[in-house]
This record gives sequence, C-alpha cells and structure tokens, in this order.
Amino acid sequence: GQQLNQSPQSMFIQEGEDVSMNCTSSSIFNTWLWYKQDPGEGPVLLIALYKAGELTSNGRLTAQFGITRKDSFLNISASIPSDVGIYFCAGQNTGNQFYFGTGTSLTVIP
Amino acid sequence: GAGVSQTPSNKVTEKGKYVELRCDPISGHTALYWYRQSLGQGPEFLIYFQGTGAADDSGLPNDRFFAVRPEGSVSTLKIQRTERGDSAVYLCASSLGGGTSTDTQYFGPGTRLTVL
Repeated sequence: GQQLNQSPQSMFIQEGEDVSMNCTSSSIFNTWLWYKQDPGEGPVLLIALYKAGELTSNGRLTAQFGITRKDSFLNISASIPSDVGIYFCAGQNTGNQFYFGTGTSLTVIP
Repeated sequence: GAGVSQTPSNKVTEKGKYVELRCDPISGHTALYWYRQSLGQGPEFLIYFQGTGAADDSGLPNDRFFAVRPEGSVSTLKIQRTERGDSAVYLCASSLGGGTSTDTQYFGPGTRLTVL
C-alpha cells in the first residue's frame, strides 16, 4: 500500500525545545491527520486538517495543510517528556482509505 | 466499552496455521477498519467495513486474508496458512461512519501476531 514520506525519521531534543516534522505525498489528499502512537498502543488522533492552507492548533501542537494538498507539517512547541513517542501523518483521499506516513520517533531529553 | 478493544493482545502461531483476530468497535460506530503495522512502519490499510459489508477490501494482501462483520459490530480478521511475513501488529479502528471527511477514527491497541 501507499505510504507517505515523513521526515525526519527520528529526533532527539532537549526538553523545552520546539519540534517540527513534515509529510509529503505524490498524491493529493482531501484530509490530513496527525497521530501519536505510544508503545503497545494504537495511534491517537492529535490534529485533523480539512482544507488546503488550513492552520490548526491543539495546545502546544500546530499543524498545517499544504496549499498543494500534497504535504503537511506538525510543530510542537516547548517540548515536555510526555511528548515522547512516534508521530504519524495520514492522508485521506475521496475514498475511505487512509494512507500513513513512515513515522517520526521523538525522544525528549529532560 | 469506552474504546476499541482487540483480542488477543498477543498471538504466537506456527507457519501454516490458521488464526482469528477479533475487534470490538466503539458502540454505535458503523465504520470499522483493519490495518497492519510492521515494525518501524506506519499502519497499512487492509479493509474497511460500513455496517456489515466490506466497502473496500483492496488492501488485503492476498486471498489468505479475509474479514467478516456479520452483525455490523464485532469484526474478525482471519488469516489462513500463516507465513512468517504475516508477523505484524494488526490494528482495528472504528468511526461513526457518517461518510464525511470529519469522521474520526479511533484505534484499538492492536494484536501482535508472531508467526514462527
């Protein structure tokens, strides 16, 4: 199945630093989603984006739906230890299939 | 229950055996999805149910895989003649299923399948 290109693959940052990760696709999507997955758990939805150019915040998280509809980014400000985990982007086209990125593993050093 | 549940949480089987993985969606959710997640990868779509019917099964890798949802609630993913390459975490998700773009999927914790 199709997987989106997500970068960086992993990040090691100091507590308090800001984080940025992005996702690109060769296909256009109608919806972009960002999930966080902890070990042994399923992904949990963080932010959903429904329109090209949309910028949405959820607490310390901000995400944008790219104008071309082929990319999205997620920013985390003032990282804390509980931000540790794997972050996935996902795109949805006109059908009900969701395509996930390869994941960004985030480690926050206290 | 409050969320999507999946059983078993872990399944170890031998190559060639048959396995069944169960998903209990959130009550009232008409849409149900199965994904497969290999180590270090994102979830990969397998099949989507709307009610009792498989609306999209294009992600099933081959005819050894099939899934049912006979009463529109619980779903079972069935894998015949398992192969070592089938080892992965199998995730289930459910959503209200209104068919809108704002329909949020809620994931279960997954079943880790290991084929020896």
